[in-house]
Amino acid sequence: DGGITQSPKYLFRKEGQNVTLSCEQNLNHDAMYWYRQDPGQGLRLIYYSQIVNDFQKGDIAEGYSVSREKKESFPLTVTSAQKNPTAFYLCASRPPDRLIKGYTFGSGTRLTVV
Amino acid sequence: AQRVTQPEKLLSVFKGAPVELKCNYSYSGSPELFWYVQYSRQRLQLLLRHISRESIKGFTADLNKGETSFHLKKPFAQEEDSAMYYCALSTITSGTYKYIFGTGTRLKVLA
Repeated sequence: DGGITQSPKYLFRKEGQNVTLSCEQNLNHDAMYWYRQDPGQGLRLIYYSQIVNDFQKGDIAEGYSVSREKKESFPLTVTSAQKNPTAFYLCASRPPDRLIKGYTFGSGTRLTVV
Repeated sequence: AQRVTQPEKLLSVFKGAPVELKCNYSYSGSPELFWYVQYSRQRLQLLLRHISRESIKGFTADLNKGETSFHLKKPFAQEEDSAMYYCALSTITSGTYKYIFGTGTRLKVLA
């Protein structure tokens, strides 16, 4: 069964620490996205990648970094520069027939600063 | 400006009552709109897309370009419809597709 796997499910970060959230897909999708979900604010785009070795900043990229070395993987690093990192993070991928299938989302990672 | 507005954060209805979750958009191009649903402890999943005038789980949504709306409707709400609903606008800039999401509406169906 194809899908997106995000790990870990829960992550705790100390002040000043960088953490990396994993996102892996076996759907053979080229495009991948990272969203941040906060109550009352919906989903906001952090970074996206249309193809391997290429990625673009979204609307709230400050304090985050990504890489796309493999088609299957799009990890997100939350750096110490992100002032308010506590949130729910969602990874998604876009199929070629996006108008029919929409995007596929992972189950998310909840990050808490302690 | 590209924007999706869902004016209601929370909508509570009784079981069997009609439901309408509002979605308005602002987009200069040809709009492509979707409804996504997130049930408790489940991942976000596609519910409806504007290109196919279908009914999924009893829900329908019609794109009204004159009113720039894509409201989600169901004639008789069920308790299992309780979830978070997001309206999404697919945009394209420099050949790149991205979603703009609304802030979401939590639907609670009361017994």
